[in-house]
Amino acid sequence: QQPVQSPQAVILREGEDAVINCSSSKALYSVHWYRQKHGEAPVFLMILLKGGEQKGHEKISASFNEKKQQSSLYLTASQLSYSGTYFCGTEGSGTYKYIFGTGTRLKVLA
Amino acid sequence: DAGVIQSPRHEVTEMGQEVTLRCKPISGHNSLFWYRQTMMRGLELLIYFNNNVPIDDSGMPEDRFSAKMPNASFSTLKIQPSEPRDSAVYFCASSLVNRGQIFNTEAFFGQGTRLTVV
Repeated sequence: QQPVQSPQAVILREGEDAVINCSSSKALYSVHWYRQKHGEAPVFLMILLKGGEQKGHEKISASFNEKKQQSSLYLTASQLSYSGTYFCGTEGSGTYKYIFGTGTRLKVLA
Repeated sequence: DAGVIQSPRHEVTEMGQEVTLRCKPISGHNSLFWYRQTMMRGLELLIYFNNNVPIDDSGMPEDRFSAKMPNASFSTLKIQPSEPRDSAVYFCASSLVNRGQIFNTEAFFGQGTRLTVV
């Protein structure tokens, strides 16, 4: 039932772009994206709500396809500070409640 | 603003002992969440409160786990008795929720408590 993220890991050079995907087997109300650096707490990046509303930071963009039960996080012109593990958090209905994805490790090299 | 404050930052205890983790949410926030993170299971939502009332504790793994929020500025997560498989990093987060839409706003995380049960 845990949403699957892809890729599991990615290495980029500074300035390159990346896309991280989050796929659920259940219908979703909303998707959250977080970044977590090693030994630190997760930091909120973006919320995507059913119906298309988005709330987040200016330099991060994402999409939410309700029909496909998928979300994608777009990282453009990556910086060294983008390194970390990215998690999607998904809100569903009934007993689903709130479940985090499997995580994507991203490393940006100079 | 000091952010969400958790204590202790690290806790090492022996199997069978009671463990209490503490959290002070951001002032003015009305929702509080407890999470657990392990290598095997990733990040898991254990329980969340809205206006000091527990809304959903279905993520609490066993009856050995309990959580309270006696007032808007303090919450505890207790494990009694503790077991080695409870070893994890426990995060507390808080948010300001409107109209009861718990997951529609940004949650701010504390730095976590790393629990080791030996």
